[in-house]
Amino acid sequence: RKEVEQDPGPFNVPEGATVAFNCTYSNSASQSFFWYRQDCRKEPKLLMSVYSSGNEDGRFTAQLNRASQYISLLIRDSKLSDSATYLCVVGGMNSGYSTLTFGKGTMLLVSP
Amino acid sequence: DADVTQTPRNRITKTGKRIMLECSQTKGHDRMYWYRQDPGLGLRLIYYSFDVKDINKGEISDGYSVSRQAQAKFSLSLESAIPNQTALYFCATSDLRKSGNEQFFGPGTRLTVL
Repeated sequence: RKEVEQDPGPFNVPEGATVAFNCTYSNSASQSFFWYRQDCRKEPKLLMSVYSSGNEDGRFTAQLNRASQYISLLIRDSKLSDSATYLCVVGGMNSGYSTLTFGKGTMLLVSP
Repeated sequence: DADVTQTPRNRITKTGKRIMLECSQTKGHDRMYWYRQDPGLGLRLIYYSFDVKDINKGEISDGYSVSRQAQAKFSLSLESAIPNQTALYFCATSDLRKSGNEQFFGPGTRLTVL
């Protein structure tokens, strides 16, 4: 089983749509969870951290279900500028050190 | 602005050549990382360092070496480049006390090995 799994997409949605991405992780001892955004040929940038209680940042809502080892990202009122690849990222311990494991990403294409 | 920079941004080289990729940061972070990204494979960790002179192998360290002689610099070397090392390489930094596990990425180096 892959450590962090995401549907690669692409998800094609019109402007204004609501879209949801899901992610599962295999390491039950994982301690930190993030969504990163990566534009084509650019570096990944943190979109938001994900907390057990769920958290919201404007049009973006992230949820974590530790029991099911499942993370989600909801984007409301999609904008053209939301077109990007969204990386699910899980942090855990590796030989005593904390490292991040990245999913392969889900591509979102928002059209006019 | 505190930043993570990488040099060169693009490099084309031939099989068997030695290549060094440089990463510098002005964030004052203690932890630094090297990743490679390939289409369909996502980001994979090559090496990481949690302090000067601290070096740890990542998922795919074979064929690579690193050096962390100063807190602000972390260099990646390909001793004898081969075509399957053609990829986009990212350096990243983090600091547990300042920003938890969040990693900040440099702009990337696109390496092509012919």
